[in-house]
Amino acid sequence: EVQLVESGGGLVKPGGSLRLSCAASGLTFSAYVMSWVRQAPGRGLEWLSSISTNSGNIYYADSVEGRFTISRDNARNSLYLQMNSLRLEDTALYYCARDYGFGVFDYWGQGTPVTVSP
Amino acid sequence: DIQMTQSPSSLSASVGDRVTITCRSSQSISTNLNWFEQTPGKAPKLLLYSASSLRSGVPSRFSGSGSGTDFTLTISGLQPEDFATYYCQQTYSIPYTFGQGTKLDIK
Repeated sequence: EVQLVESGGGLVKPGGSLRLSCAASGLTFSAYVMSWVRQAPGRGLEWLSSISTNSGNIYYADSVEGRFTISRDNARNSLYLQMNSLRLEDTALYYCARDYGFGVFDYWGQGTPVTVSP
Repeated sequence: DIQMTQSPSSLSASVGDRVTITCRSSQSISTNLNWFEQTPGKAPKLLLYSASSLRSGVPSRFSGSGSGTDFTLTISGLQPEDFATYYCQQTYSIPYTFGQGTKLDIK
């Protein structure tokens, strides 16, 4: 059974940093593109970033480009999101998701909450 | 960026009803369109991909159609567990974008 478990969320002040992790099991992690998607409270879904299997191709949404960095460690079956210069509007539940192919997110974690507040 | 617009934003229906949700893209996306279901406190769940392909394990009462800019999700014979929020998503180009969601609740 595919399982994705996010961690690392929490309360941070504007301008602060957090590093999110996503631990994967039940899949050949190195074979899949992985992504981060967030959902602000009461709002819809926003794709943030995707990383190819060998980390050779990385993409970001404009809203996080230059502030967030996606990475992966295939030996540890883990995905990461380093978030710097956090803003109030980054408050959301952050999900990692497996990309079945061409942006089809077929498995999602349960999410880790990030709250940016003074 | 490609904008995705769903209609309606909310919908009330009864168990056993047939409902249709529409998703329109701001430019042609061929059939690069996926549908997700989300219940409160849960992660989104993929229902259909490539506009009309049903994900394994998803009940056949869910169906999708469309290509280009106009797409529909149809649920035939609503079940109690179907009352949720539904999102479309385009994967034609990055940034992948989602519709704003359609909340389906019980009449």
